[in-house]
Amino acid sequence: GAGVSQSPRYKVAKRGQDVALRCDPISGHVSLFWYQQALGQGPEFLTYFQNEAQLDKSGLPSDRFFAERPEGSVSTLKIQRTQQEDSAVYLCASSSTGQPYEQYFGPGTRLTVT
Amino acid sequence: AQRVTQPEKLLSVFKGAPVELKCNYSYSGSPELFWYVQYSRQRLQLLLRHISRESIKGFTADLNKGETSFHLKKPFAQEEDSAMYYCALSGRNYGQNFVFGPGTRLSVLP
Repeated sequence: GAGVSQSPRYKVAKRGQDVALRCDPISGHVSLFWYQQALGQGPEFLTYFQNEAQLDKSGLPSDRFFAERPEGSVSTLKIQRTQQEDSAVYLCASSSTGQPYEQYFGPGTRLTVT
Repeated sequence: AQRVTQPEKLLSVFKGAPVELKCNYSYSGSPELFWYVQYSRQRLQLLLRHISRESIKGFTADLNKGETSFHLKKPFAQEEDSAMYYCALSGRNYGQNFVFGPGTRLSVLP
């Protein structure tokens, strides 16, 4: 079947705009992870869902970041009032178990804030 | 707090030469260690985990708790091994306890 998909693949936003990034996990995967990858860095954990429950959001850098997965499938990462430091690749991953090492990654959304 | 370091941003070797990608970690407990790989224009994917003790694509990695290291090795590098390699650590729970290193770009020259 299809892997994890993310949309849009590229997003340019002016500083102060709100953006919404979508993740479609592999069908049936109960766990979903969001990561932020700044240029030249490894991915950094943002938040984790098991089905519709957000079990860990400790990695979200500020209250401008919000994630949801209302029906336990598609997830949206929303960033309000974007800042230049939000420029990064946002990766989504899903797993059939709760184990992060078994996660399958999407292609990422590259966000550029100008 | 857990941390993963990869001292080399870029490592270039010739085809057929041995390669070692270094990874050191800090964690107060018994972590699980992993290597992820990202080939050009492909997605990040798991290469191997220390618990399985497998050899994947000729790569091996041994967890050295005394030196807190998990170096990735291959005796004879191939051009198709050129990629970004990330070392990662998982603590007791998920989420913030899953930490990636900054990555090393391996370039295998013909």
